[in-house]
Amino acid sequence: QVQLVESGGGVVQPGGSLRLSCAASGFSFSSYGMHWVRQAPGKGLEWVAFIRYDGSSKYYADSVKGRFTISRDNSKNTLYLQLNSLRPEDTALYYCVKGKTTTDSWGQGTLVTVSS
Amino acid sequence: DIQMTQSPSSLSASVGDRVTITCRASQSISNYLNWYQQKPGKAPNLLIYGASTLQSGVPSRFSGSGSGTDFTLTISSLQPEDFGTYYCQQSYSTPYSFGQGTNLEIK
Repeated sequence: QVQLVESGGGVVQPGGSLRLSCAASGFSFSSYGMHWVRQAPGKGLEWVAFIRYDGSSKYYADSVKGRFTISRDNSKNTLYLQLNSLRPEDTALYYCVKGKTTTDSWGQGTLVTVSS
Repeated sequence: DIQMTQSPSSLSASVGDRVTITCRASQSISNYLNWYQQKPGKAPNLLIYGASTLQSGVPSRFSGSGSGTDFTLTISSLQPEDFGTYYCQQSYSTPYSFGQGTNLEIK
């Protein structure tokens, strides 16, 4: 069955960096586009970024453009999100999501806390 | 950017009730509309994609309709396990925006 396991979250000071990973299994990872979606504590869902199946195109929310970078390694079945210049408002649970329009599998999320 | 507006933001209904949640897009998104259910402490679960296609394993009491800018999620006969927060999301163009959510409580 499909499994998406996020890791790399933690507590970081404002202006700091983190790299999130999402290990995928149970499906042909290299055939699917992938998203990152986040959810601040007690708030709704916010789409963050999308990468095509082959990594050829990447798209970002305005709130993270220029600070976050989505990437993938299809040889390792792994999705990444590099988070730079972090702000307190980036504090959230970050989910890895399979699929472009039919987003049928979500990981359990990794928590990023930006605080001094 | 496309804005997604859900209504109501919260509702309380009884077991057996028919429940309807609406989602409006700020411009036409054809049928590129997904519905999710999220329970506390859990990841969202895809219910409906393509505005009206039931995701595998989702009970048939859930249905979706609409196209263009106006969409509806209907639960035909509410069950106790249907509590949670429901979100719509457009997958027509980036940024792939979500509605603000509808919190459904069981009376």
